[in-house]
Amino acid sequence: GENVEQHPSTLSVQEGDSAVIKCTYSDSASNYFPWYKQELGKRPQLIIDIRSNVGEKKDQRIAVTLNKTAKHFSLHITETQPEDSAVYFCAAPNYGGSQGNLIFGKGTKLSVKP
Amino acid sequence: GAGVSQSPRYKVAKRGQDVALRCDPISGHVSLFWYQQALGQGPEFLTYFQNEAQLDKSGLPSDRFFAERPEGSVSTLKIQRTQQEDSAVYLCASSLGIGGRTGGYTFGSGTRLTVV
Repeated sequence: GENVEQHPSTLSVQEGDSAVIKCTYSDSASNYFPWYKQELGKRPQLIIDIRSNVGEKKDQRIAVTLNKTAKHFSLHITETQPEDSAVYFCAAPNYGGSQGNLIFGKGTKLSVKP
Repeated sequence: GAGVSQSPRYKVAKRGQDVALRCDPISGHVSLFWYQQALGQGPEFLTYFQNEAQLDKSGLPSDRFFAERPEGSVSTLKIQRTQQEDSAVYLCASSLGIGGRTGGYTFGSGTRLTVV
């Protein structure tokens, strides 16, 4: 089955700096890679996703890059703001399961200091 | 409904008590997933339903855990004889397509279960 590794586990940046979170996956059949943001005590919310037919996707200050050969993908947040502080999770489908349920990384706690 | 609704929001159970957690997915969503999220960890897969069929229950940690979705909409996760290690947030998610590879999940707010 799929294995997703995420790092770093914690990340502290100054407001306005960039933040990068990296994930690796093990199953070369995986073709969909979402990122979720979870604020304290709230539900995980999808912020951006990428499919394996593209190498990069951007949405305002957020971008995701995918390297299929190396089996890793990264979340990039530019011009960070205090409201970006949250836990971020990457995920990949588990094709070892029956229907490709998402397997999540352990999360990265991002703190943006004003 | 507009989103995925879970109830109760919080549940405190005495060890050995049975609990039932409810999930009402987005109307028309085919896929429904249950995840367990321990404090400071990522969501861990428990089970998956496609309409009323439970197609994957490989993540259920023991036979004390049981899930159903009899009419292909509302789902219930039942935990029998709760233990302290069952304390966690139980998240329900739904998606329009089949499985997790056709698009992102929409999560509910979760049920925080505390076993004392």
